[in-house]
Amino acid sequence: GAGVSQSPSNKVTEKGKDVELRCDPISGHTALYWYRQSLGQGLEFLIYFQGNSAPDKSGLPSDRFSAERTGGSVSTLTIQRTQQEDSAVYLCASSLKLLASTDTQYFGPGTRLTVL
Amino acid sequence: GQQVMQIPQYQHVQEGEDFTTYCNSSTTLSNIQWYKQRPGGHPVFLIQLVKSGEVKKQKRLTFQFGEAKKNSSLHITATQTTDVGTYFCAGGPNYGGATNKLIFGTGTLLAVQP
Repeated sequence: GAGVSQSPSNKVTEKGKDVELRCDPISGHTALYWYRQSLGQGLEFLIYFQGNSAPDKSGLPSDRFSAERTGGSVSTLTIQRTQQEDSAVYLCASSLKLLASTDTQYFGPGTRLTVL
Repeated sequence: GQQVMQIPQYQHVQEGEDFTTYCNSSTTLSNIQWYKQRPGGHPVFLIQLVKSGEVKKQKRLTFQFGEAKKNSSLHITATQTTDVGTYFCAGGPNYGGATNKLIFGTGTLLAVQP
C-alpha cells in the first residue's frame, strides 16, 4: 500500500521567502509528526498532531514555523521569512493508533530545503 | 527536558566484526523503539521493546531493554555492508500511560568496510 508521501522532494528558496511543505500520511493514521534533520544530525521534533486534539507544538523553533492538519489527513508545514539556518531535511511521519507513544512511526522520504 | 543519548556517535568496523550501540535516557521510558536510516534515506522502524529486561532478536541483530527501562542496546553480529547506516533509538516517555511523542536519540552512524 501507499506509504507517507511528502512534497516537494527538494525546495530551494531565497532567504526571506515563505515556504510550504506538504505531508500525506498513510490513510487511517491518526497521528502525524514533523521532524527536522540537519546534515549528519539526529531528528529534531517539531510538532505532533493526534486525532482532534490540540497539536503539540513544543518543538517549533520559532514563531516563523507553523503547521496545520486539515480534515485529520494532509498536513502543511509553513516556514515564514526563511533563514539559512532553516536549511535541512524536513521529515514527516504518521502512526496508526489514537493513543500511542508506543506505535511504529512510518516516515516519508522528506523534503530537502535549501535556503540561499 | 528529557534527553536520549546514544554512544558511540560513529563506529567504523571491518565486515564480519560485531557492533554495538548504546542508548541512555535521562528518565524512565514506557517503551523503546529502534530505527535504521540508510545514507540518503529516511528512518525505518526495526523493533519495539516494552518490558523491563526484554531481549529480542532479528537474525544478526539483538535488542535489549534495560531492567530500569532507562537504557537499551542494539548489537549486530558479524556486520555486513548492508548494515551501513545510522541507528536511532527512540523512547516513549513514561507519563503514566498518557499519550506522548517519541524522543529520538542522537543516533550512531555505522560504517562497514568490505
